[in-house]
Amino acid sequence: GAGVSQTPSNKVTEKGKYVELRCDPISGHTALYWYRQSLGQGPEFLIYFQGTGAADDSGLPNDRFFAVRPEGSVSTLKIQRTERGDSAVYLCASSLSSGADNEQFFGPGTRLTVL
Amino acid sequence: AQRVTQPEKLLSVFKGAPVELKCNYSYSGSPELFWYVQYSRQRLQLLLRHISRESIKGFTADLNKGETSFHLKKPFAQEEDSAMYYCALRPTGNQFYFGTGTSLTVIP
Repeated sequence: GAGVSQTPSNKVTEKGKYVELRCDPISGHTALYWYRQSLGQGPEFLIYFQGTGAADDSGLPNDRFFAVRPEGSVSTLKIQRTERGDSAVYLCASSLSSGADNEQFFGPGTRLTVL
Repeated sequence: AQRVTQPEKLLSVFKGAPVELKCNYSYSGSPELFWYVQYSRQRLQLLLRHISRESIKGFTADLNKGETSFHLKKPFAQEEDSAMYYCALRPTGNQFYFGTGTSLTVIP
């Protein structure tokens, strides 16, 4: 079917507001990753889910960032009290499982701009 | 600490010329290394991984543990190779560390 999808494609918000970014992985993929890519940088790991649980959230920069994946499919990245420094492209990727030989398929990203 | 270094932000070569995109990593264990590519207006996608020892679109990359490098090479560059290339390291678990990327332009 379709690849990884992310909504919205663009989000403009004001400093201090709350935002939610959604990721729809490829059907049947149990592993899901969130990354943040700032201008001129490579993707930066945020969090990894295996099924419904966050197996590794060590990349989340602070407690304003939170992600869920309640049914083991769609995931939502939540950012509270947004700051201008949160402006970036947020990428989601999924893979069939978590092994190294399982290719990550990336979504198109959500471009977040915090004014 | 930065774990993946791509020293060239921009690289231009003429069509038909050899191309090498450099990647150095810092990790004391046995690394898993990858090259990802992003063509204009497309998604980031896997190009190749060192464990597969494969050649994709004419590109190869050899892991050199002594020099902690994983340079990407192609003997004859094509215009369609113009893209952004990222080297990535997976030390353990499921964290991937990406370099800052190299923008390759192949001049016709």
